Amino acid sequence: KNEVEQSPQNLTAQEGEFITINCSYSVGISALHWLQQHPGGGIVSLFMLSSGKKKHGRLIATINIQEKHSSLHITASHPRDSAVYICAVRTYMDSNYQLIWGAGTKLIIKP
Amino acid sequence: KAGVTQTPRYLIKTRGQQVTLSCSPISGHRSVSWYQQTPGQGLQFLFEYFSETQRNKGNFPGRFSGRQFSNSRSEMNVSTLELGDSALYLCASSLEFGNRGDTQYFGPGTRLTVL
Repeated sequence: KNEVEQSPQNLTAQEGEFITINCSYSVGISALHWLQQHPGGGIVSLFMLSSGKKKHGRLIATINIQEKHSSLHITASHPRDSAVYICAVRTYMDSNYQLIWGAGTKLIIKP
Repeated sequence: KAGVTQTPRYLIKTRGQQVTLSCSPISGHRSVSWYQQTPGQGLQFLFEYFSETQRNKGNFPGRFSGRQFSNSRSEMNVSTLELGDSALYLCASSLEFGNRGDTQYFGPGTRLTVL
């Protein structure tokens, strides 16, 4: 079982829809990151969370530490939001702080 | 501020060769992390450097090594290349030591192809 699991793996929606991407993890963490990777390969860090909720424009990220779960929401989705969204958790493992990555959620927004 | 830069952007090597990739972090950032991304494995953490010291290391063989210079620029070296080393190698910088959970800023990556 992977320590970080994302769902869904693939998501296709129409422009304007409200999008939710989920991330569940099974290890203790010091932080959780949401990142966006566009088809060209460029990765942009969206949020870093250790508790609560953060909002940036149409993007909202929440985390529930007790339930070991985080969600990324996109309101009023747009085709330019099409990308792979990756969740990563920072944990202490094998005497090291490590980032463990989810497999990503591929989002396609159709006009 | 200039973003994270990586050189070269594309590289083709043959099995058995060695390769050195370079990463220049955002000015003022002292932490540099390296990642390997392949279609099958996703993003895999290689190692993290802070103030010229390797602080964290992922589960990669000793053929993968790195270093960081006093100006925070970092290099990654892969010796005795294998076909499976073909991947996108990403570098990310952040202000402080990674365990504080600082936001990481990624470079465009170096696409390595091993023939």
